[in-house]
Amino acid sequence: GQQLNQSPQSMFIQEGEDVSMNCTSSSIFNTWLWYKQDPGEGPVLLIALYKAGELTSNGRLTAQFGITRKDSFLNISASIPSDVGIYFCAGKSGYGGSQGNLIFGKGTKLSVKP
Amino acid sequence: EADIYQTPRYLVIGTGKKITLECSQTMGHDKMYWYQQDPGMELHLIHYSYGVNSTEKGDLSSESTVSRIRTEHFPLTLESARPSHTSQYLCASSEFGRKRTDTQYFGPGTRLTVL
Repeated sequence: GQQLNQSPQSMFIQEGEDVSMNCTSSSIFNTWLWYKQDPGEGPVLLIALYKAGELTSNGRLTAQFGITRKDSFLNISASIPSDVGIYFCAGKSGYGGSQGNLIFGKGTKLSVKP
Repeated sequence: EADIYQTPRYLVIGTGKKITLECSQTMGHDKMYWYQQDPGMELHLIHYSYGVNSTEKGDLSSESTVSRIRTEHFPLTLESARPSHTSQYLCASSEFGRKRTDTQYFGPGTRLTVL
């Protein structure tokens, strides 16, 4: 089946640093979504992308839908302690049947540098 | 803001018990989903529904069952819980058939522990 490769798996941040993560797919997607999950909670939608090349911002977060439609990037600028959590990318290749279901990456865990 | 609710938030039960995890949404969404997630790991789709009287199995095989008698309600049932069912269960919903709004919104999850 379709798979998403999300990297990095984990990273440590210092307050004020910029953060980048990405997802790649083996097949073409028509939708990319980025979620953040805090411990013990459900994922919260951060940014939704629907068109190749689309660049969308949500505060300090910026995400892009790759031109090839097989990848997406999420950047966090000037990180703050509350950015800590697990970030998931998700994508789908269609709208009907099982193609309308999301496929999730394995997550990028953001932690604060000791 | 997503209005999707799950109860209970935490459940600890013994092996062999029957349990039902509740999920309700007030957004009028047609499509609903159940995911299973081990702590810090990826989400696995176990059930979904396109609307009333529709239920489909997801990518991950599960011994649980679901029903969709009302649009807003999508409960998940385990007839006989086992320790291997210990996990977090997440419910989600989305509008069906509308491109730009077919994004999924998640509930807070139910953390199930079977002893």
